[in-house]
Amino acid sequence: QQQVKQSPQSLIVQKGGISIINCAYENTAFDYFPWYQQFPGKGPALLIAIRPDVSEKKEGRFTISFNKSAKQFSLHIMDSQPGDSATYFCAASMSFNKFYFGSGTKLNVKP
Amino acid sequence: EAGVTQSPTHLIKTRGQQATLRCSPISGHTSVYWYQQALGLGLQFLLWYDEGEERNRGNFPPRFSGRQFPNYSSELNVNALELEDSALYLCASSLDGPSFFGQGTRLTVV
Repeated sequence: QQQVKQSPQSLIVQKGGISIINCAYENTAFDYFPWYQQFPGKGPALLIAIRPDVSEKKEGRFTISFNKSAKQFSLHIMDSQPGDSATYFCAASMSFNKFYFGSGTKLNVKP
Repeated sequence: EAGVTQSPTHLIKTRGQQATLRCSPISGHTSVYWYQQALGLGLQFLLWYDEGEERNRGNFPPRFSGRQFPNYSSELNVNALELEDSALYLCASSLDGPSFFGQGTRLTVV
Protein backbone atom coordinates (compact mmCIF):
# COMPACT_ATOMS: atom_id res chain seq x y z
CA GLN A 1 0.00 0.00 0.00
CA GLN A 2 1.42 3.33 -1.06
CA GLN A 3 1.57 5.54 2.00
CA VAL A 4 1.99 8.82 0.10
CA LYS A 5 0.43 9.52 -3.28
CA GLN A 6 1.79 12.38 -5.37
CA SER A 7 0.39 14.12 -8.42
CA PRO A 8 0.86 15.12 -11.14
CA GLN A 9 3.68 12.96 -12.46
CA SER A 10 4.89 15.82 -14.64
CA LEU A 11 4.08 19.51 -14.90
CA ILE A 12 4.87 22.21 -17.43
CA VAL A 13 4.55 25.82 -16.29
CA GLN A 14 5.41 29.08 -17.98
CA LYS A 15 7.99 31.34 -16.38
CA GLY A 16 6.30 33.53 -13.80
CA GLY A 17 3.42 31.11 -13.29
CA ILE A 18 2.42 29.11 -10.23
CA SER A 19 3.46 25.47 -9.94
CA ILE A 20 1.25 23.29 -7.74
CA ILE A 21 2.10 19.75 -6.69
CA ASN A 22 -0.23 17.71 -4.53
CA CYS A 23 0.24 14.85 -2.10
CA ALA A 24 -2.17 12.73 -0.11
CA TYR A 25 -1.42 10.41 2.78
CA GLU A 26 -3.21 7.64 4.64
CA ASN A 27 -1.61 7.34 8.06
CA THR A 28 -2.93 9.96 10.49
CA ALA A 29 0.05 9.28 12.74
CA PHE A 30 2.37 11.07 10.32
CA ASP A 31 3.64 14.24 11.98
CA TYR A 32 6.26 15.63 9.62
CA PHE A 33 5.86 16.44 5.93
CA PRO A 34 8.93 17.59 3.98
CA TRP A 35 9.38 18.43 0.32
CA TYR A 36 12.58 17.64 -1.52
CA GLN A 37 13.97 19.07 -4.75
CA GLN A 38 16.19 16.95 -6.95
CA PHE A 39 18.22 18.05 -9.96
CA PRO A 40 19.43 15.44 -12.46
CA GLY A 41 22.36 13.41 -11.19
CA LYS A 42 22.12 14.92 -7.70
CA GLY A 43 20.68 13.77 -4.42
CA PRO A 44 17.38 15.23 -3.21
CA ALA A 45 17.74 18.42 -1.16
CA LEU A 46 15.36 19.40 1.61
CA LEU A 47 13.30 22.35 0.39
CA ILE A 48 10.65 23.07 2.98
CA ALA A 49 8.73 21.11 5.60
CA ILE A 50 5.61 21.41 7.72
CA ARG A 51 4.07 19.92 10.85
CA PRO A 52 0.33 19.12 10.98
CA ASP A 53 -0.35 21.77 13.61
CA VAL A 54 -0.10 24.55 11.01
CA SER A 55 -2.06 24.98 7.81
CA GLU A 56 0.52 26.87 5.81
CA LYS A 57 4.24 27.54 5.76
CA LYS A 58 5.99 29.94 3.44
CA GLU A 59 9.67 30.26 2.62
CA GLY A 60 10.42 32.71 -0.15
CA ARG A 61 8.57 31.62 -3.28
CA PHE A 62 7.78 28.18 -1.83
CA THR A 63 4.63 27.54 0.21
CA ILE A 64 3.25 24.34 1.73
CA SER A 65 -0.49 24.19 2.27
CA PHE A 66 -1.68 21.51 4.69
CA ASN A 67 -5.21 20.16 5.07
CA LYS A 68 -5.27 17.79 8.03
CA SER A 69 -8.91 16.77 7.67
CA ALA A 70 -8.46 15.85 4.02
CA LYS A 71 -5.04 14.28 4.67
CA GLN A 72 -3.55 16.31 1.87
CA PHE A 73 -0.70 18.74 1.47
CA SER A 74 0.63 20.65 -1.48
CA LEU A 75 3.63 22.62 -2.64
CA HIS A 76 3.09 25.94 -4.39
CA ILE A 77 5.95 27.58 -6.24
CA MET A 78 5.13 31.21 -6.96
CA ASP A 79 6.72 33.13 -9.84
CA SER A 80 8.20 29.86 -11.17
CA GLN A 81 11.61 30.20 -12.82
CA PRO A 82 13.47 27.96 -15.28
CA GLY A 83 15.95 27.24 -12.48
CA ASP A 84 13.10 25.60 -10.56
CA SER A 85 12.96 22.87 -13.20
CA ALA A 86 13.64 19.72 -11.21
CA THR A 87 11.90 16.69 -9.74
CA TYR A 88 10.01 17.33 -6.52
CA PHE A 89 9.24 14.68 -3.93
CA CYS A 90 6.86 14.94 -1.01
CA ALA A 91 7.38 12.75 2.02
CA ALA A 92 5.83 11.89 5.36
CA SER A 93 7.17 10.42 8.55
CA MET A 94 6.19 9.50 12.09
CA SER A 95 8.50 11.06 14.61
CA PHE A 96 11.24 11.04 11.97
CA ASN A 97 11.23 7.23 11.97
CA LYS A 98 11.43 6.14 8.34
CA PHE A 99 10.33 8.47 5.61
CA TYR A 100 7.71 7.54 3.02
CA PHE A 101 8.22 9.30 -0.29
CA GLY A 102 5.80 10.17 -3.04
CA SER A 103 6.56 9.07 -6.58
CA GLY A 104 7.90 12.46 -7.65
CA THR A 105 6.80 15.26 -9.97
CA LYS A 106 9.00 16.40 -12.82
CA LEU A 107 8.58 20.16 -13.18
CA ASN A 108 9.58 21.95 -16.37
CA VAL A 109 9.40 25.73 -16.30
CA LYS A 110 9.37 27.16 -19.82
CA PRO A 111 11.24 30.45 -20.38
CA GLU B 1 29.80 21.24 8.33
CA ALA B 2 30.22 18.36 5.91
CA GLY B 3 27.09 16.85 4.46
CA VAL B 4 26.38 13.23 3.74
CA THR B 5 29.18 11.79 1.63
CA GLN B 6 28.93 8.73 -0.55
CA SER B 7 31.60 6.77 -2.36
CA PRO B 8 32.29 5.95 -5.04
CA THR B 9 30.33 8.40 -7.19
CA HIS B 10 30.25 5.95 -10.06
CA LEU B 11 30.64 2.19 -10.11
CA ILE B 12 30.58 -0.18 -13.06
CA LYS B 13 30.20 -3.88 -12.38
CA THR B 14 29.58 -7.00 -14.38
CA ARG B 15 26.45 -9.07 -13.90
CA GLY B 16 26.99 -11.61 -11.10
CA GLN B 17 29.62 -9.55 -9.30
CA GLN B 18 29.26 -7.87 -5.93
CA ALA B 19 29.11 -4.13 -5.30
CA THR B 20 29.92 -2.27 -2.09
CA LEU B 21 28.69 1.27 -1.61
CA ARG B 22 29.70 3.49 1.29
CA CYS B 23 28.05 6.33 3.16
CA SER B 24 29.30 8.74 5.81
CA PRO B 25 26.47 10.52 7.61
CA ILE B 26 26.47 14.10 8.82
CA SER B 27 28.46 14.32 12.03
CA GLY B 28 26.23 13.43 14.98
CA HIS B 29 23.57 11.71 12.90
CA THR B 30 22.88 8.16 14.04
CA SER B 31 20.34 7.05 11.44
CA VAL B 32 21.28 6.07 7.91
CA TYR B 33 18.78 5.26 5.16
CA TRP B 34 19.48 3.68 1.79
CA TYR B 35 17.28 4.22 -1.26
CA GLN B 36 17.38 2.95 -4.82
CA GLN B 37 16.38 5.33 -7.59
CA ALA B 38 16.14 3.73 -11.01
CA LEU B 39 16.37 6.10 -13.97
CA GLY B 40 13.41 8.45 -14.05
CA LEU B 41 11.70 6.74 -11.15
CA GLY B 42 11.01 7.56 -7.52
CA LEU B 43 12.85 6.65 -4.36
CA GLN B 44 12.53 3.03 -3.34
CA PHE B 45 13.33 2.45 0.33
CA LEU B 46 16.01 -0.19 0.85
CA LEU B 47 17.31 -0.18 4.41
CA TRP B 48 17.29 1.85 7.60
CA TYR B 49 20.04 1.63 10.21
CA ASP B 50 20.04 3.34 13.56
CA GLU B 51 22.60 3.02 16.35
CA GLY B 52 24.23 0.13 14.54
CA GLU B 53 21.05 -1.92 14.18
CA GLU B 54 18.93 -2.65 11.12
CA ARG B 55 15.53 -1.11 11.94
CA ASN B 56 13.64 -1.75 8.74
CA ARG B 57 14.11 -2.99 5.21
CA GLY B 58 12.16 -2.44 2.06
CA ASN B 59 10.82 -4.96 -0.39
CA PHE B 60 14.15 -6.05 -1.84
CA PRO B 61 15.72 -9.53 -2.06
CA PRO B 62 18.25 -10.67 0.57
CA ARG B 63 21.16 -10.08 -1.82
CA PHE B 64 20.75 -6.42 -0.82
CA SER B 65 22.32 -6.11 2.61
CA GLY B 66 24.27 -3.67 4.65
CA ARG B 67 25.63 -2.69 7.97
CA GLN B 68 26.31 0.32 10.12
CA PHE B 69 29.63 0.77 11.84
CA PRO B 70 30.30 2.15 15.35
CA ASN B 71 31.10 5.57 13.82
CA TYR B 72 27.62 5.45 12.18
CA SER B 73 28.98 5.18 8.65
CA SER B 74 27.30 2.54 6.58
CA GLU B 75 27.87 0.09 3.78
CA LEU B 76 25.42 -1.26 1.26
CA ASN B 77 26.31 -4.56 -0.36
CA VAL B 78 24.62 -5.92 -3.43
CA ASN B 79 25.48 -9.51 -4.30
CA ALA B 80 24.93 -11.41 -7.53
CA LEU B 81 24.34 -8.19 -9.46
CA GLU B 82 21.62 -8.14 -12.07
CA LEU B 83 21.21 -5.70 -14.95
CA GLU B 84 18.12 -4.20 -13.31
CA ASP B 85 20.19 -3.23 -10.27
CA SER B 86 21.57 -0.36 -12.34
CA ALA B 87 20.40 2.76 -10.53
CA LEU B 88 21.37 5.73 -8.41
CA TYR B 89 21.79 4.59 -4.82
CA LEU B 90 21.13 7.32 -2.32
CA CYS B 91 22.08 7.47 1.30
CA ALA B 92 20.42 9.83 3.77
CA SER B 93 21.14 10.54 7.43
CA SER B 94 19.16 12.02 10.26
CA LEU B 95 19.11 12.56 14.02
CA ASP B 96 15.55 12.86 15.29
CA GLY B 97 14.90 15.22 12.43
CA PRO B 98 14.66 15.55 8.67
CA SER B 99 16.73 13.36 6.40
CA PHE B 100 19.59 14.86 4.43
CA PHE B 101 20.77 13.11 1.30
CA GLY B 102 24.16 12.49 -0.22
CA GLN B 103 24.85 12.88 -3.92
CA GLY B 104 24.46 9.18 -4.57
CA THR B 105 26.43 6.39 -6.18
CA ARG B 106 25.58 5.64 -9.79
CA LEU B 107 25.82 1.86 -10.16
CA THR B 108 25.91 0.47 -13.68
CA VAL B 109 25.69 -3.27 -14.21
CA VAL B 110 26.82 -4.48 -17.62
